[in-house]
Amino acid sequence: ETGVTQSPTHLIKTRGQQVTLRCSSQSGHNTVSWYQQALGQGPQFIFQYYREEENGRGNFPPRFSGLQFPNYSSELNVNALELDDSALYLCASSLASGRTNHEQYFGPGTRLTVT
Amino acid sequence: GENVEQHPSTLSVQEGDSAVIKCTYSDSASNYFPWYKQELGKGPQLIIDIRSNVGEKKDQRIAVTLNKTAKHFSLHITETQPEDSAVYFCAATATRGDMRFGAGTRLTVKP
Repeated sequence: ETGVTQSPTHLIKTRGQQVTLRCSSQSGHNTVSWYQQALGQGPQFIFQYYREEENGRGNFPPRFSGLQFPNYSSELNVNALELDDSALYLCASSLASGRTNHEQYFGPGTRLTVT
Repeated sequence: GENVEQHPSTLSVQEGDSAVIKCTYSDSASNYFPWYKQELGKGPQLIIDIRSNVGEKKDQRIAVTLNKTAKHFSLHITETQPEDSAVYFCAATATRGDMRFGAGTRLTVKP
């Protein structure tokens, strides 16, 4: 186990609704990255938060937003849900310093279904 | 941006045989290459990684090789066991944060 936790485990929402997913990072880690994993595909980078600020963003529209809190936990918010947003949402925590890439440890994910 | 291609998409081996999964990347600035194992219903688990200043790294039955000139890296699993059956992902990143993943390889180890 990595020590990264996510909630909820599963979620069903209707198109047009908004959703908030939560992640608690591994103890001692200061960085959280969020990924979207569609069925049968590799994870796709959404964005990363380092010391409460966004530190890089993938090719996702602005309706995907996030927050990182002083305890380094994080939220992913998705507005105006679309059917294609159905996926496994993964967060990964790491201990970052400077410009060096550090190992990312993933949580179990939240399975979001949009109907 | 970075583009990672992974082959094969499925791989079936007999228990005890070796398995090799290959990835290529496009961004010559990429400097960190992790490999993840994902079992059904779970998040990806980091199994080994390599940085651009190293050509090979080994951890028990698992090894990774990196060829920076050709921009490809490979995962080698020796003496495979049924519990090695899972989906394996390679990834590459140049800048902290934007990690790009391959499409995955479903490995089946037959007892």
